[in-house]
Amino acid sequence: QKEVEQNSGPLSVPEGAIASLNCTYSDRVSQSFFWYRQYSGKSPELIMSIYSNGDKEDGRFTAQLNKASQYVSLLIRDSQPSDSATYLCAARFYNQGGKLIFGQGTELSVKP
Amino acid sequence: GAGVSQSPRYKVAKRGQDVALRCDPISGHVSLFWYQQALGQGPEFLTYFQNEAQLDKSGLPSDRFFAERPEGSVSTLKIQRTQQEDSAVYLCASSEGLVVTNEQFFGPGTRLTVL
Repeated sequence: QKEVEQNSGPLSVPEGAIASLNCTYSDRVSQSFFWYRQYSGKSPELIMSIYSNGDKEDGRFTAQLNKASQYVSLLIRDSQPSDSATYLCAARFYNQGGKLIFGQGTELSVKP
Repeated sequence: GAGVSQSPRYKVAKRGQDVALRCDPISGHVSLFWYQQALGQGPEFLTYFQNEAQLDKSGLPSDRFFAERPEGSVSTLKIQRTQQEDSAVYLCASSEGLVVTNEQFFGPGTRLTVL
């Protein structure tokens, strides 16, 4: 069983809508979670990091973490066509050193 | 300031050839990570360094893969006797350290194609 799981999508939303991206992780002692955006042919770009239960907002992005449910999500408000990309969820687990464990990514398509 | 840089950006190798991929981390970043990304998949961890010490190499797929960071700055990932299954994008990332809040920043990657 993969330690971090995401729906591969594609997830399609209209311009201006809220895009909701979800990620679940295995039963380990988690430390921190990261959302990366990856455009086709490019490398991952860090969007958000979250370490504590609850919500964390940065501009149009909100990350939500629920450790009891082993669930982390990313909400993108007022979605724009330029948000179309693959979104990678990554986790860092206790006693795993600094390495990140990635999900397979969710492809998001924002339609004008 | 400058981000993580990697070279070459693209590498085509014939099966059996040795290749060397270079990573130059963000200045001052003591932690350096190598990941491998296959098409349509998330990055998979290979190895990481804290300064010049290689703390975890559990993700290296075989003994044909070797990584070093002799002076605690630039790192090289070497693949000996390349095979077609080695074709992937090799990503390097760096962070300030290993504190739980330290974020990792990726370079542009090296796309390796083994013919």
